[in-house]
Amino acid sequence: AQKVTQAQTEISVVEKEDVTLDCVYETRDTTYYLFWYKQPPSGELVFLIRRNSFDEQNEISGRYSWNFQKSTSSFNFTITASQVVDSAVYFCALSEAYTGRRALTFGSGTRLQVQP
Amino acid sequence: KAGVTQTPRYLIKTRGQQVTLSCSPISGHRSVSWYQQTPGQGLQFLFEYFSETQRNKGNFPGRFSGRQFSNSRSEMNVSTLELGDSALYLCASSLGGSGALASAGEQFFGPGTRLTVL
Repeated sequence: AQKVTQAQTEISVVEKEDVTLDCVYETRDTTYYLFWYKQPPSGELVFLIRRNSFDEQNEISGRYSWNFQKSTSSFNFTITASQVVDSAVYFCALSEAYTGRRALTFGSGTRLQVQP
Repeated sequence: KAGVTQTPRYLIKTRGQQVTLSCSPISGHRSVSWYQQTPGQGLQFLFEYFSETQRNKGNFPGRFSGRQFSNSRSEMNVSTLELGDSALYLCASSLGGSGALASAGEQFFGPGTRLTVL
């Protein structure tokens, strides 16, 4: 069975601070996908990134960066110089790969509040 | 390109009634998945449809059902509503396929239907 743990329920930072959201996962699959989604107050889940299990290269996209470490089963997400617009709930998720089965197993989410 | 649309956006029903929610995926996407989001259980996978066939099902009672039409639009139905069915129901669209194509797997979510059961 797959499991995703986001131990941080809520984080509050002041604008321009860096913040890291933690994600730890469990799976017996040798190939899998990891995702991060953002859910603003409007409710729609916004796709941020997908990472293949065989690609441990870290990724940076603007102020966002992701650190994937297979050895510790972690896929952490860092926002650099946070902004008020980053305030949202962030979900880490896991799915099978190459089976065509798209069921996402989500973590419980981390609510990020960025204060001005 | 239009995104995923869900109708209605809000719904109020009473216990025992049934409800049908609709999802139109992004044009060209053939896979539609449904998720339930509640404060207590979080985001949980309900089922996935691809080419009008249910390909995967989560751990929900038989009161929850769905279908997909030839144009990839999908509906989900909940019969004999219970108070605990109050939730945000999210639909996700993706290209679909299997094998190598399954790697093109990011799912794009709609705005959701917020169902309240009184």
